[in-house]
Amino acid sequence: AQSVTQPDARVTVSEGASLQLRCKYSYSGTPYLFWYVQYPRQGLQLLLKYYSGDPVVQGVNGFEAEFSKSNSSFHLRKASVHWSDSAVYFCVLTSNSAGNKLTFGIGTRVLVRP
Amino acid sequence: GPKVLQIPSHQIIDMGQMVTLNCDPVSNHLYFYWYKQILGQQMEFLVNFYNGKVMEKSKLFKDQFSVERPDGSYFTLKIQPTALEDSAVYFCASSSSANTGQLYFGEGSKLTVL
Repeated sequence: AQSVTQPDARVTVSEGASLQLRCKYSYSGTPYLFWYVQYPRQGLQLLLKYYSGDPVVQGVNGFEAEFSKSNSSFHLRKASVHWSDSAVYFCVLTSNSAGNKLTFGIGTRVLVRP
Repeated sequence: GPKVLQIPSHQIIDMGQMVTLNCDPVSNHLYFYWYKQILGQQMEFLVNFYNGKVMEKSKLFKDQFSVERPDGSYFTLKIQPTALEDSAVYFCASSSSANTGQLYFGEGSKLTVL
């Protein structure tokens, strides 16, 4: 069985501050890991992905995430947030044989205060 | 970017009635999915569909559920009859490939069963 845990349901940060969203996964095989974001009144969008190789992956809009096999984690970071980063962020797990059957975390709602 | 459209955005129906949720996937995508999110819970895989057939379904995909995409029109999820526990947001997604984890999602159709 596989699972994804996002321990923070809500995070509030001030504009310009740094942001880190935590994600832990459980999977015995080789994981494919993603962060998806849902902005208000929009569908989920892919922010970044990790398949293998360099554990730090870059995404759109200045986001990056770091994979740690030893910690079973895939935390998301941004150095300086903008008000437009207010959204719900989902950590997602799958594998190369899962047929795009994704396992979602519950999501972290981020509110950026001006 | 490419968009997945879902109709309706919200539907309220009485228990036992039939409902059809419609999805207009990204053109030229071949793989289609439905995911279900009950309020306060994680989004969960329901079914994937390729080449006119259901490829895999989860235990959430009850006998009362069916999917089809007749002749390139909407990809639909039909529930007949509905039950109270079917109240959820249903997300449609599409993909150009089978195992990359990169899906395009719609905004969701919120179903309320009374």
